[in-house]
Formats: sequence, C-alpha cells, structure tokens
Amino acid sequence: EAEVAQSPRYKITEKSQAVAFWCDPISGHATLYWYRQILGQGPELLVQFQDESVVDDSQLPKDRFSAERLKGVDSTLKIQPAELGDSAMYLCASSLQGLAKYNEQFFGPGTRLTVL
Amino acid sequence: RKEVEQDPGPFNVPEGATVAFNCTYSNSASQSFFWYRQDCRKEPKLLMSVYSSGNEDGRFTAQLNRASQYISLLIRDSKLSDSATYLCVVNTNAGKSTFGDGTTLTVKP
Repeated sequence: EAEVAQSPRYKITEKSQAVAFWCDPISGHATLYWYRQILGQGPELLVQFQDESVVDDSQLPKDRFSAERLKGVDSTLKIQPAELGDSAMYLCASSLQGLAKYNEQFFGPGTRLTVL
Repeated sequence: RKEVEQDPGPFNVPEGATVAFNCTYSNSASQSFFWYRQDCRKEPKLLMSVYSSGNEDGRFTAQLNRASQYISLLIRDSKLSDSATYLCVVNTNAGKSTFGDGTTLTVKP
C-alpha cells in the first residue's frame, strides 16, 4: 500500500539552530499539506501546495518557516532559527485531487521535533 | 473561539457501550466533513466521511446538522480497539481543512 514518507522521524536541536524536514507524498497526489500538532491539540495547517504552487500559507510563521515543493513532488519544510515553542509533531499529508474538499488526506508518520 | 470545537473528554466507557461525540463548527461556508482517528503517537487516519443524509459504516454512524452547524459520531458496541482520539475535520469549498483538538475515548474491559 502506498504511503507518505517523512524523514527524519525524530529531531532534537538547540534553539537558534536550523532544521529541515522532508516529505514524499503518495505518487500522483497533487495536493500536499504540512501540519504542526502540539500534544493534546489537533493538527494545525501550516502550508498547502497544489503541485508546486502554494495555495494557503496563511498560518505559516514566515519570519522563520519556509516550505518548498520545487518539482511538485516531494517537499521540504525548514525552520530557521528554531525556538523552544516549535517543539511539536510535524505531519505531512497528501491527497489526490486539487479541489480537495472531498478528498481523503493520507498522513505520513510525522517528524517529532524537540527544541532544547 | 476555535473554528472547530470538540469536547476533549476523556470518555471512559465499558466494552459494549454506545458512545457519541459531537463537534461544532463556526464557518457556515464549510462544505465537507470527516472523522479521523488518531492512535497515541501515530498519524491521523480517515475513519469516515460525513454525508448530509447521515451515513453508517458498521458500528459507526456519522450525522451532519447544517442548521445547527454540528456533526456527530456514534459508536455502538464499543471494542477495546476503539480506544483512540477522534478528530473532527471541516473543509471549505477551497479545500482548506480545519481540525478539532479531538475527543479521547478509552474503552475498558
């Protein structure tokens, strides 16, 4: 069964350092999402791509976060510099069609970030 | 006020019990609705979509009330394996997804 791949699974870093997360969606899925999930809360959308274009990054803290999906396939989320409050699970998800209102999102296993 | 609100629980029920969760949403333009299940330290997975007329999948029944802006999930004959966090998800027509913070269910022997 096709899966969304994410790496690394765990990342420990010191504040002010740079971190990067990678996601490879299910083949053929045009829509890719990055979410942040703090323990005890639901996933919060950071950025949504349709192919290589950003369609929603309204909740992305752009002073320190950046995301790209250059060829419309895999994607990288970067944080620079990391802050203590960035400690969370970063989830990547993908869905089949561009107009995703009805489509199931498939999630990767996530990257658990701890900032010391 | 959050766009999607859920009772966090926890709901602690015995095996075989029937349990229901509600979820309210504030955006009247919301178009599609889902329930996801998330096991501890795992990723969310789709449990079921919620259709306007209500829908059932085995022991699970989902309903939508657009007038009152809430959706519900009913689980009958609870199993130990149903223990998880249940996330309500609301999508706009443009495909933006908003997740609730989840309701935690523990089914006990």
